[in-house]
Amino acid sequence: AQSVTQLDSHVSVSEGTPVLLRCNYSSSYSPSLFWYVQHPNKGLQLLLKYTSAATLVKGINGFEAEFKKSETSFHLTKPSAHMSDAAEYFCVVRRAAGNKLTFGGGTRVLVKP
Amino acid sequence: DAGITQSPRYKITETGRQVTLMCHQTWSHSYMFWYRQDLGHGLRLIYYSAAADITDKGEVPDGYVVSRSKTENFPLTLESATRSQTSVYFCASRDPVGTQYFGPGTRLLVL
Repeated sequence: AQSVTQLDSHVSVSEGTPVLLRCNYSSSYSPSLFWYVQHPNKGLQLLLKYTSAATLVKGINGFEAEFKKSETSFHLTKPSAHMSDAAEYFCVVRRAAGNKLTFGGGTRVLVKP
Repeated sequence: DAGITQSPRYKITETGRQVTLMCHQTWSHSYMFWYRQDLGHGLRLIYYSAAADITDKGEVPDGYVVSRSKTENFPLTLESATRSQTSVYFCASRDPVGTQYFGPGTRLLVL
């Protein structure tokens, strides 16, 4: 079985300050991990993915995430938030070579000017 | 344009009516998926397809029917819509290394 916990349902940051979105997972197998972003009334866009290569993964729009097996975490960070980063973010786990995606509950990010 | 598209983007229907949501992808991905997104439940898998003419149930298949006569299309049909099927529906396709790419979604309201 696999599960994903996003530790914060809402995060509020000021423009230009760092963003940290926390994600912990459990998986019986070597997982693949993903972060997706969903802007209001839009579909899910892939930000980045980890598939057992480098543990520090760089994605689009300045985001990156670090896979820490010992902590079963895959936290998403960005050094400087932009107004356009206001959206909902989903951490997702997939069993290696499988199809089933397990979604976290989502973290809604508010960026204050 | 390449990618994954869904139609209609918005739909209002009445209880008991049949509704079909369309999904089209231009990547020739083998796998395609249908999810619904509801507050408090996140995204839940309805059905998926591994290839043309091969479909399988996901987590919440009741009340839905799918078909896959062509690789690029994966329509989802609500045979007799119910209010509980009011939701946002997302189609996705999977690339050969396992990453899923999502369509823009269809917002369905069942009155």
